[in-house]
Amino acid sequence: DVQMTQSPSSLSASVGDIVTISCRASQTISNHLNWYQQKPGKAPKLLIYAASNLQSGVPSRFSGSASGTDFTLTISSLQPEDFATYYCQQSYTTWAFGQGTKVEVK
Amino acid sequence: QVTLRESGPALVKPTQTLTLSCTFTGFSLSTSGMCVSWIRQPPGKAPEWLARIDWDDEKYYSTSLKTRLTISKDTSKNQVVLTMTNMDPVDTATYYCARDYFDRNVFQYYFDSWGQGTLVTVSS
Repeated sequence: DVQMTQSPSSLSASVGDIVTISCRASQTISNHLNWYQQKPGKAPKLLIYAASNLQSGVPSRFSGSASGTDFTLTISSLQPEDFATYYCQQSYTTWAFGQGTKVEVK
Repeated sequence: QVTLRESGPALVKPTQTLTLSCTFTGFSLSTSGMCVSWIRQPPGKAPEWLARIDWDDEKYYSTSLKTRLTISKDTSKNQVVLTMTNMDPVDTATYYCARDYFDRNVFQYYFDSWGQGTLVTVSS
């Protein structure tokens, strides 16, 4: 099975900061990588699909990129509503999630 | 508008079988490309994908849990059912169903709509 390794597990940031979250696949998954945002007590919400495609309705400050088996989620200017936990998920084979990155207030 | 809702017992005893239902609106599982997955999330941990059923009745299971899981659908009721046998306290989690959407523009799947989840506690 493909394993997803996310880093960091948590980070502290301020409103307006640029935030980057990384996800590495244990083997090639092409661009079959999705990103989700989860707030406490809520289901995950799709942000980015196929590595770099912005889901409808998601603010353009969110973006995704890929290089080989390395994937990155970037928030260009962190907003108060962006403090949450973020997960990557591969949809190449036997779907799997990363361990998550909690974005906290600095 | 796509909606999904999970239902089932909040508490099960160790060794019992868990049966969860997912009732959805806004799409049909008889439509080509439509799929529904079950995902669980233990408290404070990452989500874990469990199983998927496709419009053509193809089924896929987590490698680590496949011997305990069965997924089925009732297209006429817009419902997907998951059973998990031999429940253990480590199976305590919020269980979600989600539409596993196949996007023909990128030829990929992603979870574009989720239920609110149902917390299942395994305890004697």
